[in-house]
Amino acid sequence: DAGVTQSPTHLIKTRGQHVTLRCSPISGHKSVSWYQQVLGQGPQFIFQYYEKEERGRGNFPDRFSARQFPNYSSELNVNALLLGDSALYLCASSLDGRLGQFFGPGTRLTVL
Amino acid sequence: QKEVEQDPGPLSVPEGAIVSLNCTYSNSAFQYFMWYRQYSRKGPELLMYTYSSGNKEDGRFTAQVDKSSKYISLFIRDSQPSDSATYLCAMSERGNQGGKLIFGQGTELSVKP
Repeated sequence: DAGVTQSPTHLIKTRGQHVTLRCSPISGHKSVSWYQQVLGQGPQFIFQYYEKEERGRGNFPDRFSARQFPNYSSELNVNALLLGDSALYLCASSLDGRLGQFFGPGTRLTVL
Repeated sequence: QKEVEQDPGPLSVPEGAIVSLNCTYSNSAFQYFMWYRQYSRKGPELLMYTYSSGNKEDGRFTAQVDKSSKYISLFIRDSQPSDSATYLCAMSERGNQGGKLIFGQGTELSVKP
């Protein structure tokens, strides 16, 4: 069975640019969550979507936005990139957005 | 004060040792408790989850929750070099906030052959 997939694997951008990260959940899962993990820290919650509706938002600026598509895949968009946005961005999928969140391999974003 | 505190380690043990990993938390609304394992430069892998006080066992792993003390633990018996990774505890509330996982900092574990 395919797990959670994310693309791209790695990304290098410069300050002020925009980035789009993509995630495909496990087949049958209807919820996708996004997390940011800075080196040496645990993941921090950014967004959760369930059935294409936003269910939760973490303490991140409006430069961060996301959406979920009818096939339950999701995009995370970050505008006006800052050096501090450099991190591993993780996508997690679950059946209903509660217990049992399964993570993808992540997208490593470097902002220069 | 962080909602979830976890000793970052690093923790180094010989192969075959019993490992104890711990987290404390301050939010009494947390009802669901999870342990994830993360290898270097990979995504976290769900090991165990529980929603009640007491013990839950799965092979060499035992998760323990003490809600009265706001304290959770993960025990690894007969530790192996392949267990070397960072272990993250995570928690969430019931209801609509149930999907928002709050993670500890992670404990880096090294099991030496």
